[in-house]
Amino acid sequence: AQSVTQLGSHVSVSEGALVLLRCNYSSSVPPYLFWYVQYPNQGLQLLLKYTSAATLVKGINGFEAEFKKSETSFHLTKPSAHMSDAAEYFCAVRGQGAQKLVFGQGTRLTINP
Amino acid sequence: EAQVTQNPRYLITVTGKKLTVTCSQNMNHEYMSWYRQDPGLGLRQIYYSMNVEVTDKGDVPEGYKVSRKEKRNFPLILESPSPNQTSLYFCASSRPRTSGAYEQYFGPGTRLTVT
Repeated sequence: AQSVTQLGSHVSVSEGALVLLRCNYSSSVPPYLFWYVQYPNQGLQLLLKYTSAATLVKGINGFEAEFKKSETSFHLTKPSAHMSDAAEYFCAVRGQGAQKLVFGQGTRLTINP
Repeated sequence: EAQVTQNPRYLITVTGKKLTVTCSQNMNHEYMSWYRQDPGLGLRQIYYSMNVEVTDKGDVPEGYKVSRKEKRNFPLILESPSPNQTSLYFCASSRPRTSGAYEQYFGPGTRLTVT
């Protein structure tokens, strides 16, 4: 069964600093990977997705993620944090031939002025 | 505008009083799903539906029912709510493709409190 682990339930960075949110998956074959963002009192919005076309994936709002098969990781980064990035971030995986999305525990990102 | 809508957005109820949370999508999606979100646990799937009249259990189905009589609607029913069903609920929909790289679209969420 697919599973996802997000390291760190809370991450705090200063405005302008690098954002790094970690995600590791378990799968015997490369799955489909997603990052979603949840702003306060809102639903989940897709940030980016890995489709096997490229290992470095660019998403909305300046975020990107790199698929590393050898490390079974799909970490999310942004070079310079903005106050508006404060939200909860979820990594999710879908296995080959599956419909179901399996979510990680979520990481709450706080931006300090 | 393509969207998934849920109603109500907020609900406070008492133990044992039956309730229904509605979900509707206007994208003609075949696949619909309900999740609950709890702190530290992420989103867990309650039930899903591959198409009209086709539903199946997810990871945490106990205490919930669903139906899919129309393609656009997928209501979540709690026949006898209990306090451990206090949670944030999300409905989602998608159009499955051969490649699994398709996104799910989420509703705004329903915050349910059962006292």
